[in-house]
Amino acid sequence: DGGITQSPKYLFRKEGQNVTLSCEQNLNHDAMYWYRQDPGQGLRLIYYSQIVNDFQKGDIAEGYSVSREKKESFPLTVTSAQKNPTAFYLCASSITSGRRETQYFGPGTRLLVL
Amino acid sequence: RKEVEQDPGPFNVPEGATVAFNCTYSNSASQSFFWYRQDCRKEPKLLMSVYSSGNEDGRFTAQLNRASQYISLLIRDSKLSDSATYLCVVNGGTDSWGKFQFGAGTQVVVTP
Repeated sequence: DGGITQSPKYLFRKEGQNVTLSCEQNLNHDAMYWYRQDPGQGLRLIYYSQIVNDFQKGDIAEGYSVSREKKESFPLTVTSAQKNPTAFYLCASSITSGRRETQYFGPGTRLLVL
Repeated sequence: RKEVEQDPGPFNVPEGATVAFNCTYSNSASQSFFWYRQDCRKEPKLLMSVYSSGNEDGRFTAQLNRASQYISLLIRDSKLSDSATYLCVVNGGTDSWGKFQFGAGTQVVVTP
């Protein structure tokens, strides 16, 4: 069953703690993305990666870090430097056909600060 | 000005009726356009890509107006299950990797 998986579904973070959100895909997609969604706002790009061992900052990368050691995996770490981490985090991967790149999303992780 | 703007709604639609709404975008170089559906507390799911000539998928019709820089989505014969938030997504093409711009969504509520 192909798709994108994210874990955990819910995550609770204590003050000063780093937490890591998992994202795995078996779609053989090259590009992967992390977005943050806050109520009433559009998705905002945190980081993206076009290929293994390469990634780029998005619009709101401060307080976050990523790695891309395997094509299938793109974990996101929310560090203690991110002062307002409560949000819905969405991982996506994309496929390109001609000049059209189409994204598909995982089920998301809700992060709450205790 | 936001790069992609949508009327947040809600659009309250009687079951069986037609509803249409637009999305405007600011980057005239945008190449790819999409509509996603997002249910409450779920991930966005691709509803349809939007092509220059317009395209239809069952009860859903999408149109692109490059001159006025907007895309539209029309839903015919609305079902209760069509209740969701519809996200407009615009991309600059493969020259703009990672440059997907998302609208905040239009909420549609279909009532019995």
